[in-house]
Amino acid sequence: GQNIDQPTEMTATEGAIVQINCTYQTSGFNGLFWYQQHAGEAPTFLSYNVLDGLEEKGRFSSFLSRSKGYSYLLLKELQMKDSASYLCAVRDSNYQLIWGAGTKLIIKP
Amino acid sequence: ETGVTQTPRHLVMGMTNKKSLKCEQHLGHNAMYWYKQSAKKPLELMFVYNFKEQTENNSVPSRFSPECPNSSHLFLHLHTLQPEDSALYLCASSQGAGSGGETQYFGPGTRLLVL
Repeated sequence: GQNIDQPTEMTATEGAIVQINCTYQTSGFNGLFWYQQHAGEAPTFLSYNVLDGLEEKGRFSSFLSRSKGYSYLLLKELQMKDSASYLCAVRDSNYQLIWGAGTKLIIKP
Repeated sequence: ETGVTQTPRHLVMGMTNKKSLKCEQHLGHNAMYWYKQSAKKPLELMFVYNFKEQTENNSVPSRFSPECPNSSHLFLHLHTLQPEDSALYLCASSQGAGSGGETQYFGPGTRLLVL
């Protein structure tokens, strides 16, 4: 079967750095997405990785290792507004998105 | 604002009711999706429409009936639902479906409670 694993919940301090991991086992790979979802709101696109390496976008970076079936989302200089759920999703060989259950990130002052 | 709107935002219905969820996208996309999101579970893809044609139906019970009259509008008709159908129903759209790295853009969802 296809599976995406990510921690259920993480806590971090304002101003700090946090890394949210995602591991996947899917039938084929055609890219990995990270989305942010604030409570009661729509998931919004953060990043897309299809090649190995690090993609940096402001305070957020996303890393991919296809050989290890592994990705992480790195959030720097955490702000209170970063409190949200972070969803990892992999596009499989049929171009279907397989979703993780999301990681709820709690930022404390 | 993601360019995808959904109405209503909240819905409470009895098991014998019939209701419809509406989604509209203003992005000029050709593919639209319905997802179910339950607490602490992954997003479940329900239906996919590409150029108004249904291309995916992931074993969804017949009490959920989608309708896509054009590329900008998507409906989910609900009838004789069960309490376990209570969830957040998300609509999304993308440029196309089934190839490349198209990003999906989501609406805010309809929070459904079935009593």
